[in-house]
Amino acid sequence: AQSVTQPDIHITVSEGASLELRCNYSYGATPYLFWYVQSPGQGLQLLLKYFSGDTLVQGIKGFEAEFKRSQSSFNLRKPSVHWSDAAEYFCAVGDGTGTASKLTFGTGTRLQVTL
Amino acid sequence: EAGVAQSPRYKIIEKRQSVAFWCNPISGHATLYWYQQILGQGPKLLIQFQNNGVVDDSQLPKDRFSAERLKGVDSTLKIQPAKLEDSAVYLCASSLVGGAFNEQFFGPGTRLTVL
Repeated sequence: AQSVTQPDIHITVSEGASLELRCNYSYGATPYLFWYVQSPGQGLQLLLKYFSGDTLVQGIKGFEAEFKRSQSSFNLRKPSVHWSDAAEYFCAVGDGTGTASKLTFGTGTRLQVTL
Repeated sequence: EAGVAQSPRYKIIEKRQSVAFWCNPISGHATLYWYQQILGQGPKLLIQFQNNGVVDDSQLPKDRFSAERLKGVDSTLKIQPAKLEDSAVYLCASSLVGGAFNEQFFGPGTRLTVL
């Protein structure tokens, strides 16, 4: 069965600093990888996803993620963090593209941004 | 375009009581998901509907949880009787079609506290 590990429970960065959130996955076949963001009191929003092709994926809000098969990683990055980026970030792996395929989420990383 | 609507937003009940949550997906979305998000964990899929049929309910505790999606639009998730460990946020999501690679749009969730 697939699984996702987000080793950092909580990260604090200063506004304007760069950000990298770590994600490691376990999946036997080609993974379908996702990053979602959850702001307080709101539902999850898709930031970006990876299926195949270019291993550097661009998403919304200035985020990008890089797929590294050799390291089983899909880390999320942003060059300059804004205070509004404070939220919880979830990495997820999908187990296929069929109708019944589903997402398995990591435990999340809470991002705090200091001014 | 209206997002996924959920009600109530908050619910507090005593253990062994019953509770029901309602979800209205984005118009035209054939697939509807219910997730359970326990504090400190990522969302866990409980059940997936394709129109009004169940695609996956393998992680739904069927002795106490039930869900339905009449007419393939709105959905209701019920817990009867509730246990302390059911305290969580219940998220509803919808997508145009099923499959992990298709973007899921999440509602704000219902926070359930079981005392």
